[in-house]
Amino acid sequence: DARVTQTPRHKVTEMGQEVTMRCQPILGHNTVFWYRQTMMQGLELLAYFRNRAPLDDSGMPKDRFSAEMPDATLATLKIQPSEPRDSAVYFCASGLIITGAPFSGNTIYFGEGSWLTVV
Amino acid sequence: AQSVAQPEDQVNVAEGNPLTVKCTYSVSGNPYLFWYVQYPNRGLQFLLKYITGDNLVKGSYGFEAEFNKSQTSFHLKKPSALVSDSALYFCAVRDTGRRALTFGSGTRLQVQP
Repeated sequence: DARVTQTPRHKVTEMGQEVTMRCQPILGHNTVFWYRQTMMQGLELLAYFRNRAPLDDSGMPKDRFSAEMPDATLATLKIQPSEPRDSAVYFCASGLIITGAPFSGNTIYFGEGSWLTVV
Repeated sequence: AQSVAQPEDQVNVAEGNPLTVKCTYSVSGNPYLFWYVQYPNRGLQFLLKYITGDNLVKGSYGFEAEFNKSQTSFHLKKPSALVSDSALYFCAVRDTGRRALTFGSGTRLQVQP
């Protein structure tokens, strides 16, 4: 059963520490998304990649957040230094998006999330 | 820019009764609409999507959604609610520019036994 795998599932860290979240997308999917979920803001798109290239990271605070895809099976989201306001659930999602098609209704599948608490 | 609105924070329904979770959308061009469900402490699970074709879309767990272009709505429905349907439901629209999903604020469905 193909699924998006995220680690860690839960992380509690102190303010100022570096946090790295990892994601293994579904094999064959060419697009990876990072979303953040908070009570106040709901689900926000932070960044996404297609074929490992970053296409949009406009939703991400640039000074402390960075996202990469070292290879097709791994996406990372790093926060350095972390702050209490970064406490949230971070979701990775993947899909097979066909560009240039008249429409692109391909489904996006989500991982179980990384639940981050910064104290 | 594309957007969706879920006007109800919470919907309460008795088990066995029909349920409706509302969603309206605003898009330029053809709408690509999705419903996801989130159970406590879990990720989002895909329920169904509308791309083109029949206005009534059938999805997982007995859910269906009706696309109404004139009312710009995509309401989620189920004929007979189960207690296990209690969860957070998100409507989403595909951003044709970025190809990402833009989500509504979510509606909490509570099904009482």
